[in-house]
Amino acid sequence: DIQMTQSPSTLSASVGDRVTITCRASQGVSKYLAWYQQKPGKVPKLLIYKASYLQSGVPPRFSGSGSDTDFTLTISSLQPDDAATYYCQQYNSYSETFGQGTKLEIK
Amino acid sequence: QVTLKESGPAMVKPTQTLTLTCSFSGFSLTTPGVRVSWVRQPPGKALEWLARIDWDGDEFYTTSLKTRLTISKDVSKNQVVLTMTNMEAVDTATYYCARMELGSTAGGGFDYWGQGILVTVSS
Repeated sequence: DIQMTQSPSTLSASVGDRVTITCRASQGVSKYLAWYQQKPGKVPKLLIYKASYLQSGVPPRFSGSGSDTDFTLTISSLQPDDAATYYCQQYNSYSETFGQGTKLEIK
Repeated sequence: QVTLKESGPAMVKPTQTLTLTCSFSGFSLTTPGVRVSWVRQPPGKALEWLARIDWDGDEFYTTSLKTRLTISKDVSKNQVVLTMTNMEAVDTATYYCARMELGSTAGGGFDYWGQGILVTVSS
């Protein structure tokens, strides 16, 4: 199975900061990469699909980029509501996989 | 309006077989490009993709659990069923079903999720 590695595992940033989370695939996944936000006790929420497409209803401060093996999720101006764990997921192969998650805390 | 809902036992004993049902509405699993997957999350841990079934009946499984999993669909009932054999304590998790649509007009990602069902494995 394709392994997805996120970095960092935890991140602390201040309101208004620009935040970047990276996700690296062990093999190329083209652009079949999604990003999710999950808050404690809640269902994951789709933020970005196909590497860079913003899901309907998601604030435009979220953006995604990358292709093949290297991807990034960027929050342009961090808001208090963005405190959550973020996961990447590849869906290019027959066996899909998630990254291990990045916990984002607000200072 | 798309909805998914998981059902099944809240607790199973070690070595037993778990059967979970995902009942959905608002879409058809016969529409080209539509897939339903099962994803689990142990308490405090990361999401883990388990299996998926596609609109055309193709089935796919995570390699590490392939021998224990079976996914199936009943299009007349709008249900997807996951069975997992030989349950162990480490299989304690919240199990989710989720929908993805991938095709010429849809770019993928799990856009709809069930609420999840916590399954505890304990004797």
